[in-house]
Amino acid sequence: AQTVTQSQPEMSVQEAETVTLSCTYDTSESNYYLFWYKQPPSRQMILVIRQEAYKQQNATENRFSVNFQKAAKSFSLKISDSQLGDTAMYFCAFNSNTGNQFYFGTGTSLTVIP
Amino acid sequence: NAGVTQTPKFQVLKTGQSMTLQCAQDMNHEYMSWYRQDPGMGLRLIHYSVGAGITDQGEVPNGYNVSRSTTEDFPLRLLSAAPSQTSVYFCASSRDPSYEQYFGPGTRLTVT
Repeated sequence: AQTVTQSQPEMSVQEAETVTLSCTYDTSESNYYLFWYKQPPSRQMILVIRQEAYKQQNATENRFSVNFQKAAKSFSLKISDSQLGDTAMYFCAFNSNTGNQFYFGTGTSLTVIP
Repeated sequence: NAGVTQTPKFQVLKTGQSMTLQCAQDMNHEYMSWYRQDPGMGLRLIHYSVGAGITDQGEVPNGYNVSRSTTEDFPLRLLSAAPSQTSVYFCASSRDPSYEQYFGPGTRLTVT
């Protein structure tokens, strides 16, 4: 079975600063997909960023970028210029190319401090 | 497009009662799934479906049944509710599990 680990239950960052959320995963697959989802207090799950494992280039979406280290099985999320609206729970998730199951980490609660 | 809709938003059940959580999507997605979210445990997959007539178990399937008679609908049935099933339930859909999953707004279920 695949596992996804988020070792930081809670984090905080000052508005306009940069923060990095950690995620590691365990798999024997060579091709797979990694995701970061955001869950604000509204409870709605929103995709932040998606990375395909066979792509060397790190994915970016505006202020959000990832540091994908395939050999280390690490997939961290960097949020630049943090905004109050970034306050949310962030989940790392995994899907293998050969499976139909989706695995989530336990989440990191991020608070942006004004 | 309404996206993924779930009903009800809130529900209180007594132990032993049964109920169905409804989920529908209007994006013609083949892949649909149900998760439960518990504090400190993230989202855990209950059941999923890769198309009409095809369902399979996820990580925590016990106590839940599903069926998929149409592409649009994927109801989740609790046969005999237990307090351990108190949770927030999310339905999601995507064209393939390797792509973005679109989530419904969730159902908060309390079993007393």
